[in-house]
Amino acid sequence: GAGVSQSPSNKVTEKGKDVELRCDPISGHTALYWYRQRLGQGLEFLIYFQGNSAPDKSGLPSDRFSAERTGESVSTLTIQRTQQEDSAVYLCASSIRGTSGRYNEQFFGPGTRLTVL
Amino acid sequence: GQNIDQPTEMTATEGAIVQINCTYQTSGFNGLFWYQQHAGEAPTFLSYNVLDGLEEKGRFSSFLSRSKGYSYLLLKELQMKDSASYLCAVNYGGATNKLIFGTGTLLAVQP
Repeated sequence: GAGVSQSPSNKVTEKGKDVELRCDPISGHTALYWYRQRLGQGLEFLIYFQGNSAPDKSGLPSDRFSAERTGESVSTLTIQRTQQEDSAVYLCASSIRGTSGRYNEQFFGPGTRLTVL
Repeated sequence: GQNIDQPTEMTATEGAIVQINCTYQTSGFNGLFWYQQHAGEAPTFLSYNVLDGLEEKGRFSSFLSRSKGYSYLLLKELQMKDSASYLCAVNYGGATNKLIFGTGTLLAVQP
């Protein structure tokens, strides 16, 4: 079966431009997460969608960052007026549901490598 | 706040055993995950603990003590391909059962 997919795999943009990153979770997974990972560092939580609940946006670093999810399917992460500090790999993960137990295991996509020149 | 601590780097020898520790202080607890991440790749699931004790899966084992807020990942018969970053993640419950990740331990296996 298909895993989590992300597009584009690589994105190079100029400072000040807007970018949109896409994530297609595993079918049937109600929970979806976005993370940022800078080179050589750990995962930085950005935002979490769980079913029809209001998203947990507590990790978004600034108002330039926003994300949307259509129902329980595709999600897009938008970064406006990109800065060089936004350069990182953006990872998306999904899980069956946002509950306790093994069902919370996250399956990660391959990531989008964003480079802001 | 929520906090997870892991050593930043470790080095071990091929064929040996290595233990990677993780301590956590979280407002709640609904399970702990270990993930493996090779350079340039996405994290992949290794193990899950929710009850105290040891979970064994081949060369990898994971231990949990909830009272101590402590877990470790044990890798036996190390192979060069085990060189990777190992991430500890805790589901601290709450309304959304969100996972919080540690910064990861970079393990280098030497011949």
